[in-house]
Amino acid sequence: SSDLTQPPSVSVSPGQTAAITCSGDALPNQFTYWYQKKAGQAPTLVMSKDSERPSGIPERFSGSSSGTTVTLTIRGVQAEDEADYFCQTADSSGSWVFGGGTKMTVL
Amino acid sequence: QVQLVQSGAEVKKTGASVKVSCKASGYSFRDYGIHWVRQAPGQGLEWLGWINAGNGNTQYSQRLQTRIIITRDTAATSAYMQLSGLRSEDTAMYYCVARDIGNYDGMDVWGQGTTVTVSS
Repeated sequence: SSDLTQPPSVSVSPGQTAAITCSGDALPNQFTYWYQKKAGQAPTLVMSKDSERPSGIPERFSGSSSGTTVTLTIRGVQAEDEADYFCQTADSSGSWVFGGGTKMTVL
Repeated sequence: QVQLVQSGAEVKKTGASVKVSCKASGYSFRDYGIHWVRQAPGQGLEWLGWINAGNGNTQYSQRLQTRIIITRDTAATSAYMQLSGLRSEDTAMYYCVARDIGNYDGMDVWGQGTTVTVSS
């Protein structure tokens, strides 16, 4: 199955660590990408190929994978990190799949 | 700088068609793919399809493959997404995305988005 499952929401206090998971049977065989989506803005790529941080993304963002689950971790969460986060994979034909998204609230 | 500029907002009647354009600049258009993604109000991101700007090959979402056509014009460095048989559930913000063909290698640029509203 190409479905990707994310928790609908996570809440975290400023300065704490947030972990957002993405699960899917195909994940061991495909790279996972993470997008941050804020209202009124286009999505921003914050993690590529499971754990590579694109240029310009703060070091507090990191990624990891284990079996069928990948995790986006945000350490020292800041108010500006409040957003929706989407995981995304691509199959061999280049077709993308997005997870359902996780709304992260900074308390 | 690398940039994608999309056409303006559209308001369409149910059953009509819409064609959204995406003008690329600042990079070698034919060396990358253009994906189309939409987000309906209050919903998540949905991938619609993509085109290899070099050879013109396309791949579409199974859900939309009977209603969507993606094309490109290399001379105009532009890509186009046409959606036919519009329904109210097609009301969304539509984005084009320039991305490496294959695995990510540094290119991930989004257009500013085009609002498509479908009403009866």
